[in-house]
Amino acid sequence: ETGVTQTPRHLVMGMTNKKSLKCEQHLGHNAMYWYKQSAKKPLELMFVYSLEERVENNSVPSRFSPECPNSSHLFLHLHTLQPEDSALYLCASSRNSARSPLHFGNGTRLTVT
Amino acid sequence: GIQVEQSPPDLILQEGANSTLRCNFSDSVNNLQWFHQNPWGQLINLFYIPSGTKQNGRLSATTVATERYSLLYISSSQTTDSGVYFCAVEPIVGANNLFFGTGTRLTVIP
Repeated sequence: ETGVTQTPRHLVMGMTNKKSLKCEQHLGHNAMYWYKQSAKKPLELMFVYSLEERVENNSVPSRFSPECPNSSHLFLHLHTLQPEDSALYLCASSRNSARSPLHFGNGTRLTVT
Repeated sequence: GIQVEQSPPDLILQEGANSTLRCNFSDSVNNLQWFHQNPWGQLINLFYIPSGTKQNGRLSATTVATERYSLLYISSSQTTDSGVYFCAVEPIVGANNLFFGTGTRLTVIP
């Protein structure tokens, strides 16, 4: 499935670095999401954007900063991360809210050293 | 928040065998979705199934919302079915949020 594209696929960064994750969807959807998948834990919702407005912020630390410039693009800006932030970060989109099928990208495997 | 439990946590099958995966949830939901995560991390949406039964090839799913569970059936399993199967629910209270279970890891051996 190539409807949701994430870059980069892998990222290694130090705790003082600033980096950004990018997500692009080609499905004409109106809602986009960031999820975090850590080992041995269920997927955790981080942010939801609907029609480019943030509608959900699931108590995520401020070192994670999302940006949704339009309905097709979503970014996650990373700054001064901690080693425990190492995880698979997944972007998803859906036609409307969570009441539509969710389509995921391939994810970015992030390692914080 | 809503609790989502999947069973079994791990399952090993011989190729060609059938299996049933279960998802229990603790509260009323607006919808339920099943996903397959392949060994490379890609999550594929299998079913959007708030209630009733749906079939897609060798896979089918049934959700009994009044009893708060869903079942995923895999028939004639193939090695490409290996991976982790997740169910996710949207509770009636707290929309815009899908809560995921911890998954069932399926390994299909030739």
